[in-house]
Amino acid sequence: AAGVIQSPRHLIKEKRETATLKCYPIPRHDTVYWYQQGPGQDPQFLISFYEKMQSDKGSIPDRFSAQQFSDYHSELNMSSLELGDSALYFCASSGGLAGGELFFGEGSRLTVL
Amino acid sequence: SQKIEQNSEALNIQEGKTATLTCNYTNYSPAYLQWYRQDPGRGPVFLLLIRENEKEKRKERLKVTFDTTLKQSLFHITASQPADSATYLCARSKAAGNKLTFGGGTRVLVKP
Repeated sequence: AAGVIQSPRHLIKEKRETATLKCYPIPRHDTVYWYQQGPGQDPQFLISFYEKMQSDKGSIPDRFSAQQFSDYHSELNMSSLELGDSALYFCASSGGLAGGELFFGEGSRLTVL
Repeated sequence: SQKIEQNSEALNIQEGKTATLTCNYTNYSPAYLQWYRQDPGRGPVFLLLIRENEKEKRKERLKVTFDTTLKQSLFHITASQPADSATYLCARSKAAGNKLTFGGGTRVLVKP
């Protein structure tokens, strides 16, 4: 079965640079979520989209933005990167015949030097 | 605001025994309590979901209970195996399609 696809899997950036993460949800899922997980922490909700419209917003810095496109893939854009942005970024999707559970991708590991 | 918390101490257990993990919440009951497994550097994987009007759910060797009086969910792994070693996350959501708020996770180590 198709899963959530994230790219790139690993990304190394310098401070103040910009990074873009991509997410391809499971087909026919209508909601996409972005989470950030720092070392030793649990995933923290950033933002979600339902049918391409922003549906909820969490602790997402103003330097970050996200959108969902007509083909349902989503991108998380991070600018003016800081050392503290180094983390695993997970995309998840839900909907269709799923019962409320989220399906997570394998994550994108961002390292800011 | 509502909080959800898990025991942050790691749980060491002998193979074959039952591992029991606790997830406590404050204030009102979440509509959904969900349990996920996460291996190091990997994405969380859904295990079980229980609604606030349900008492118990089972799936193979896994069982989850929901006690709205104690404001607690228990997650059991019976006949534990070394392959069950991972971090287990509980999470609450208000409804299907809503964001998850995680409880911190409990690391389980099953020793042969």
